[in-house]
Amino acid sequence: ETGVTQTPRHLVMGMTNKKSLKCEQHLGHNAMYWYKQSAKKPLELMFVYNFKEQTENNSVPSRFSPECPNSSHLFLHLHTLQPEDSALYLCASSQGLAGTNEQFFGPGTRLTVL
Amino acid sequence: AQSVTQPDIHITVSEGASLELRCNYSYGATPYLFWYVQSPGQGLQLLLKYFSGDTLVQGIKGFEAEFKRSQSSFNLRKPSVHWSDAAEYFCAVGVLDQGGKLIFGQGTELSVKP
Repeated sequence: ETGVTQTPRHLVMGMTNKKSLKCEQHLGHNAMYWYKQSAKKPLELMFVYNFKEQTENNSVPSRFSPECPNSSHLFLHLHTLQPEDSALYLCASSQGLAGTNEQFFGPGTRLTVL
Repeated sequence: AQSVTQPDIHITVSEGASLELRCNYSYGATPYLFWYVQSPGQGLQLLLKYFSGDTLVQGIKGFEAEFKRSQSSFNLRKPSVHWSDAAEYFCAVGVLDQGGKLIFGQGTELSVKP
């Protein structure tokens, strides 16, 4: 595997389910990010991890819970989601901080909440 | 507050025609500017970036962008569009405070007519 991978690619869940999204980067980067992409809206930065430490939580509801066990893996745990949470969830990584360095994106997980 | 505006939500051009996608930013300091492209079902890929120096920057796939400080703009151009350029294009500004992050515009969807 190369680059940034995300699993699953598609996920359908009910509002009472608990599921997790997984992201893995094979680039040796130190920073990882979760974004939410909704139709006709700018990408919304959700969380930033730098050397496994969370450095940004962009006022994300607690029903989204990130986990970064090491610099290569990032999870997004989902519980009690709402239909408006349906979106494409993108993971990205960078060497150094995102403000000045290129981010590499995974293909995303298309989430549908019923 | 920092922001990025892409005035055109959707643009259609004929194959072989020239292309210009507009981007305006609001940021108090010297900006780090990026253009990303997203093909259907894919994550974002970096086309080019501007940090300093020459205000005309070259990117991949024949794209270029020009930084104009006086107009707070960073427009993307391509002299001759190919059908494979049909995608969504995102402009972003790098913010260095709060640990560093990217702020994205809402995107411009490009369609290419044969």
